[in-house]
Amino acid sequence: EIVLTQSPGTLSLSPGERATLSCRASQSVSSSYLAWYQQKPGQAPRLLIYGASSRATGIPDRFSGSGSGTDFTLTISRLEPEDFAVYYCQQYGSSPLVFGQGTKVEIK
Amino acid sequence: QVQLVQSGAEVKKPGSSVKVSCKASGGTFSSYAISWVRQAPGQGLEWMGGIIPIFGTANYAQKFQGRVTITADESTSTAYMELSSLRSEDTAVYYCARDSSGWCSSTSCYEGTGGFDYWGQGTLVTVSS
Repeated sequence: EIVLTQSPGTLSLSPGERATLSCRASQSVSSSYLAWYQQKPGQAPRLLIYGASSRATGIPDRFSGSGSGTDFTLTISRLEPEDFAVYYCQQYGSSPLVFGQGTKVEIK
Repeated sequence: QVQLVQSGAEVKKPGSSVKVSCKASGGTFSSYAISWVRQAPGQGLEWMGGIIPIFGTANYAQKFQGRVTITADESTSTAYMELSSLRSEDTAVYYCARDSSGWCSSTSCYEGTGGFDYWGQGTLVTVSS
């Protein structure tokens, strides 16, 4: 089973700043089958990125994903007020389809 | 536009079972896998298992093997997740989600985009004596 470790646990930033979130896998994620989700309190997660770097429908271009193998990154180029939330990575290349433990992006 | 609508909140006794439904509208229900993901209070996301309705076979996370049953009814475009032998640690919000990473006809499967692109609104299951 692949284990995904996200860092940092919490990121304290101000609106307008750049956010860099990391997701590291315990073994290589096949074909970059890695997704990123955003979750706000009381809401279901929302798909942001699939295939490590492709934005899902309707996702603003300030969100970008990169990486391959075992190291992946989600970057938010300039934080908007609505971007403060919890972010999860997920691998879907092999069963079980595990999630990372999440990174909370909070207002500094 | 795909919509997944789940059944309402449940309160269950320890040792009992719960069955949560997820009704799909829009899109092609049978062709895409439906997964179930749970989230305990203040915790992260946990994948429980999934099913491709057109084939009817489910795949479960080892942690839930023997306790969870995922089924799908193509005639009503509804997926179900039943969890048995409930304990307090099963108190969580349970989500269904469409897995866009692949789609299947009756004879073949094809690569899709990827990730869980549509989610239900969540169903809170509380296990308490």
